[in-house]
Amino acid sequence: AQKITQTQPGMFVQEKEAVTLDCTYDTSDPSYGLFWYKQPSSGEMIFLIYQGSYDQQNATEGRYSLNFQKARKSANLVISASQLGDSAMYFCAMREGRTGVGSYQLTFGKGTKLSVIP
Amino acid sequence: DVKVTQSSRYLVKRTGEKVFLECVQDMDHENMFWYRQDPGLGLRLIYFSYDVKMKEKGDIPEGYSVSREKKERFSLILESASTNQTSMYLCASSLYGTRTDTQYFGPGTRLTVL
Repeated sequence: AQKITQTQPGMFVQEKEAVTLDCTYDTSDPSYGLFWYKQPSSGEMIFLIYQGSYDQQNATEGRYSLNFQKARKSANLVISASQLGDSAMYFCAMREGRTGVGSYQLTFGKGTKLSVIP
Repeated sequence: DVKVTQSSRYLVKRTGEKVFLECVQDMDHENMFWYRQDPGLGLRLIYFSYDVKMKEKGDIPEGYSVSREKKERFSLILESASTNQTSMYLCASSLYGTRTDTQYFGPGTRLTVL
């Protein structure tokens, strides 16, 4: 079973509108971290935002916010006021556990391609 | 600023050649990672290292080896390149023990094996 599921292969959004990119995850570990990365066409993966499983509040970083619903195991990325430069692939990732070698690894979803329309 | 560099952005090699991909980080991070990225498959972990001379297999280590002789440098080696190793290769590093253990990525190397 996939640990990270991104159900939207591609999305379009009008410039200046908000958009939500979906991510659901599967883990039985009570301690985990969730990440979102952006990958422009140039190829580099850019870290956007992090949410820890014990964090009480949803994470925010500028125009990015994470809608964390623990009971539903979802960690959706919300981009407010979309810009043309937001056009990219977006990946959700999870790190499980806090001890042992296995805790270093990130598991990635297959990504969502976001296109911002002028 | 976090900085991860990779030796080449684009590389073309022939089947059977030995290929070295180099990754250098300047943040004094303990952990370093090699991923490959293929359309429709996302990122898959090949190998990672949590200390100098230490390495662990990821999800798809077959056909690859790694070397970490210095803390800042992590090399991925294709002993005998094959066409199914044509892919985008991404290196990352992280500082273990921080709250987030965020991985920071290099710009990637697009490898084509002919």
